[in-house]
Amino acid sequence: AQKITQTQPGMFVQEKEAVTLDCTYDTSDQSYGLFWYKQPSSGEMIFLIYQGSYDEQNATEGRYSLNFQKARKSANLVISASQLGDSAMYFCAMSAITFGNEKLTFGTGTRLTIIP
Amino acid sequence: NAGVTQTPKFQVLKTGQSMTLQCAQDMNHEYMSWYRQDPGMGLRLIHYSVGAGITDQGEVPNGYNVSRSTTEDFPLRLLSAAPSQTSVYFCATYAGYRGNTIYFGEGSWLTVV
Repeated sequence: AQKITQTQPGMFVQEKEAVTLDCTYDTSDQSYGLFWYKQPSSGEMIFLIYQGSYDEQNATEGRYSLNFQKARKSANLVISASQLGDSAMYFCAMSAITFGNEKLTFGTGTRLTIIP
Repeated sequence: NAGVTQTPKFQVLKTGQSMTLQCAQDMNHEYMSWYRQDPGMGLRLIHYSVGAGITDQGEVPNGYNVSRSTTEDFPLRLLSAAPSQTSVYFCATYAGYRGNTIYFGEGSWLTVV
């Protein structure tokens, strides 16, 4: 069965510092996708970044980058130069084939608080 | 969120009542799913569908029914609401294999009293 693990329930980071949010995954599928989403206090889910399992380069989107280490099955999100607006819940997710059907699985999330 | 329409946004139910949360998408995505999010928690998969006529259970399916008669629509039915079903519900769609974005509805805040 596929699984996403986010081991940091909460993090406090000083403004302008870089942040790494951890995500490890487990799947027997060879082709899969990894996603990060941000959920601010208003509740909507905001797409941040995507990494395909066969992508050789780490994905980057502005201040967001995904540190993809396939052998270690980790897909950590790095936020450079954090801002107060980055305070939110962050979810790691994976799409993979399970018992013949593709399935999306989410982690339990990390609540990030940026301190001025 | 463009392309995924989820209704209603807010609903209060009495214990034992039934209701249907609607989810419609216009992106021709094969994959649709329902999640619940309890306060301070992550997303737990209720049911999902990989195409019209195909549905499967997620990790918390009890108390919920789904059907997928068309590609566009994936309604979630609460047959006999219980206070434990008080939660925020999200519908999500995905283009499927090698798709690079999951699209979410705006969420439905459900309270069962």
